[in-house]
Amino acid sequence: GIQVEQSPPDLILQEGANSTLRCNFSDSVNNLQWFHQNPWGQLINLFYIPSGTKQNGRLSATTVATERYSLLYISSSQTTDSGVYFCAVYNAGNNRKLIWGLGTSLAVNP
Amino acid sequence: ETGVTQTPRHLVMGMTNKKSLKCEQHLGHNAMYWYKQSAKKPLELMFVYSLEERVENNSVPSRFSPECPNSSHLFLHLHTLQPEDSALYLCASSQFSGSSSYNEQFFGPGTRLTVL
Repeated sequence: GIQVEQSPPDLILQEGANSTLRCNFSDSVNNLQWFHQNPWGQLINLFYIPSGTKQNGRLSATTVATERYSLLYISSSQTTDSGVYFCAVYNAGNNRKLIWGLGTSLAVNP
Repeated sequence: ETGVTQTPRHLVMGMTNKKSLKCEQHLGHNAMYWYKQSAKKPLELMFVYSLEERVENNSVPSRFSPECPNSSHLFLHLHTLQPEDSALYLCASSQFSGSSSYNEQFFGPGTRLTVL
């Protein structure tokens, strides 16, 4: 089945720094979501992005489906950005099942 | 209430207990999901209900029993659980658009379950 790999697995930033998180997937996908899981476990939708680029405040995402990767950019990081960032894709053959990466654990220090 | 809600938020139960987790979505969606999240593992899809019919059951042990009485409510009934079932249980919903396309999923806050 399709594999989703995220990098880096762990990241420590100083407040105000910028970062790029990567998601690679091994097969064609119908769609892709980025989530932020806060320290209390809540999964927050960041982007629903099959292709192209979207921006929301300090966050932006780019998916290049033909090259099977997506990038999440965090600019001017804040301590509230800490948590785990997940990428999940819908396999082109099965639209009901999101396939998840293992996440990038981000800690932003004041 | 907005979005997807789950109750209880925390649950501690013994192996012989019976309990239920509840999920309610206020987004007008017609598909709902149960996921299990254990430490250091990807989210595991347990069940999918679309238009109140179970369409996916990922080899989940029978000690987990889902129920979807309508498109807004989803339950997970638990009985004779094992300590390894301790995890965060997440509910999600999305809109099924009728062309085998399940759109963006939205998640509840989860129930953190501990089995003693």
